Amino acid sequence: EDQVTQSPEALRLQEGESSSLNCSYTVSGLRGLFWYRQDPGKGPEFLFTLYSAGEEKEKERLKATLTKKESFLHITAPKPEDSATYLCAVSTLVYNQGGKLIFGQGTELSVKP
Amino acid sequence: DGGITQSPKYLFRKEGQNVTLSCEQNLNHDAMYWYRQDPGQGLRLIYYSQIVNDFQKGDIAEGYSVSREKKESFPLTVTSAQKNPTAFYLCASSIAGPRSSYEQYFGPGTRLTVT
Repeated sequence: EDQVTQSPEALRLQEGESSSLNCSYTVSGLRGLFWYRQDPGKGPEFLFTLYSAGEEKEKERLKATLTKKESFLHITAPKPEDSATYLCAVSTLVYNQGGKLIFGQGTELSVKP
Repeated sequence: DGGITQSPKYLFRKEGQNVTLSCEQNLNHDAMYWYRQDPGQGLRLIYYSQIVNDFQKGDIAEGYSVSREKKESFPLTVTSAQKNPTAFYLCASSIAGPRSSYEQYFGPGTRLTVT
């Protein structure tokens, strides 16, 4: 069964304290892995798409990496404005599943000044 | 600016009433989706459509209905048959096709409260 698991469920950091969020996945053929940021009461904001193992993408203090079984979202020297829930999702190569994303439960990140 | 709009942001209804949530996109995307988000449950797919005049049930379609008469629009009706309609509803869209990763972009959401 296709599955996405994120850890930890919640993470509290001090400003400037770097850390990583994990997204483990089991899918029958990966089409793409996605990271989103969601603020309370708002829709998820797209961050990155990763397609194959070894790929990396960066945006400001965020860096996403991908292996054959998991993805990491590295946060370098976070600021309070990075506080949000980070969602991971995958799409599969299975023909009749086109368009359906499988989401993890999210990691709620809190960065204190 | 291209994007997805959902209206209204907040919606209140009495139990037993049907209610329709609006979703419009000007990204020229073929595919559109409706999700429901509840605390601690993550995002759950209600319905999706990859082309005009066609749509498929997602994981939790019971009590909901949709239509896709125009490429830009994908309204969701929450019927009185939906047992727990109070939730945050999210609409999304993506490029569709065999070369697409189905990278989805989301609207701002509609919070529905049924009493």
